[in-house]
Amino acid sequence: QSALTQPRSVSGSPGQSVTISCTGTSSDIGAYKYVSWYQQHPGKAPKLMIYDVSERPSGVPDRFSGSKSGNTASLTISGLQAEDEADYYCCSYAGSNTFVYVFGTGTKVTVV
Amino acid sequence: EVQLVESGGGLVQPGGSLRLSCAASGFTFSMYWMTWVRQAPGKGLEWVANIKQDGSEKYYVDSVKGRFTISRDNARNSLYVQMNSLRADDTAVYYCGRGPSWGSLTPPHYWGQGTLVTVSS
Repeated sequence: QSALTQPRSVSGSPGQSVTISCTGTSSDIGAYKYVSWYQQHPGKAPKLMIYDVSERPSGVPDRFSGSKSGNTASLTISGLQAEDEADYYCCSYAGSNTFVYVFGTGTKVTVV
Repeated sequence: EVQLVESGGGLVQPGGSLRLSCAASGFTFSMYWMTWVRQAPGKGLEWVANIKQDGSEKYYVDSVKGRFTISRDNARNSLYVQMNSLRADDTAVYYCGRGPSWGSLTPPHYWGQGTLVTVSS
C-alpha cells in the first residue's frame, strides 16, 4: 500500500497549461481504469475533478482533463486560472482480491 | 443533493478511544460502498477503510488494522468508525466518502466536510 508518486509542486502563469503526473505500479494504476483526481483548497474537503481516468463530473470545467499511460496517470489543466491554485491528489483502486484505494502524495499547483 | 456530515471528533489521550459518525442523505445509502480517509495536519490524504453495501466486507490500511473498526447502519443511513488504541500519528481530519455502487470500483465522488481528531496528552 505505497502511496502513488506525484511531483511536490508545479506552477504556471494564467492561461498556460500544466500537467501533473501520478506514478503507480502494475497493481494499481496500470491494472485498472479507476483513477480519480481531487482538488483541495486549504481547509476544505477534497473535490472530485476527474474519475475513471478521463471522465469529468458535471460542473467541472473542461479545462481539466485526465489520461493514463501504463502505470502513470496525468491531470492537465489548460488555460490556468487563479482559482485553480490548490493541492491536487490522484487516487487509484488498488485491490484485486480486496477493495482498497491508494492516494498520491499530492501536488501543489501555484498560479504565478 | 448528496450530503455527508461527520461528527464525533475531538481531543483524546494516547491509548484512548473515539467513535466517529457520518450521517448520509440525498441518496440510497444501502446501495453504495462507503469509505473513510484521513489527512494529518499539513500532510496528504490517506485512505483508511472501506465497507461494502451490506457490511459483509471491510478493508483497512495496514496502520489501523486491529485498532479501527468500520461499520454502518443502513436503517439509519449512517457510517461509523470505532478507533481504539489511538496514537499521536492518528491525529488528522477524518473524511467520510461515498464509494461506488454495484459494478464499479471507482474512488469516492462525494466527501463530507471532515471532523478533526487530536491525539495528545
